[in-house]
Amino acid sequence: KNEVEQSPQNLTAQEGEFITINCSYSVGISALHWLQQHPGGGIVSLFMLSSGKKKHGRLIATINIQEKHSSLHITASHPRDSAVYICAAQETSGSRLTFGEGTQLTVNP
Amino acid sequence: KAGVTQTPRYLIKTRGQQVTLSCSPISGHRSVSWYQQTPGQGLQFLFEYFSETQRNKGNFPGRFSGRQFSNSRSEMNVSTLELGDSALYLCASSATGHPGELFFGEGSRLTVL
Repeated sequence: KNEVEQSPQNLTAQEGEFITINCSYSVGISALHWLQQHPGGGIVSLFMLSSGKKKHGRLIATINIQEKHSSLHITASHPRDSAVYICAAQETSGSRLTFGEGTQLTVNP
Repeated sequence: KAGVTQTPRYLIKTRGQQVTLSCSPISGHRSVSWYQQTPGQGLQFLFEYFSETQRNKGNFPGRFSGRQFSNSRSEMNVSTLELGDSALYLCASSATGHPGELFFGEGSRLTVL
């Protein structure tokens, strides 16, 4: 069992749909990161969470420390949201990150 | 503010050679971390440097090494290249790293023939 697991691995949605990507982790963490990777490789940090909920535009990230679970929500999805979304757990002992396998999101117009 | 700069962006090497990759962090950031991304293993943590000291290291063989200079620029080196070292190598900078928001470079894509 991986220390960080994401679901689903692949997700196809129609423009405008509400999207949820889930991340479960088994390690102790100081923070949970959500990252976005577009074709070509560039990675953008979307959120860094240690508790509660954060919102940025149409993106919302939540974390439940007791259940060791985080979710990334996209409201009113758009084709430009098509990308790979990766969660990463930052260990309590330092800066080491353990990554999930990623969720390939495709939003069709 | 300039972003994280990685050089070279693409390179091709043959087995047995060595390679050095460079990462210039955002000005003022003291933490630089390195990652390997392959289709089979996904993203994996290599190591992290802060103020010229290696703070954390991932589970990679000793052929993978790195260093950080006084201006926070970092290099990683892979010696005796193997076919399996073909990957996208990403670096990220952070103000403190513990924890800290990460800013990624575009990556260096290494192909080993």
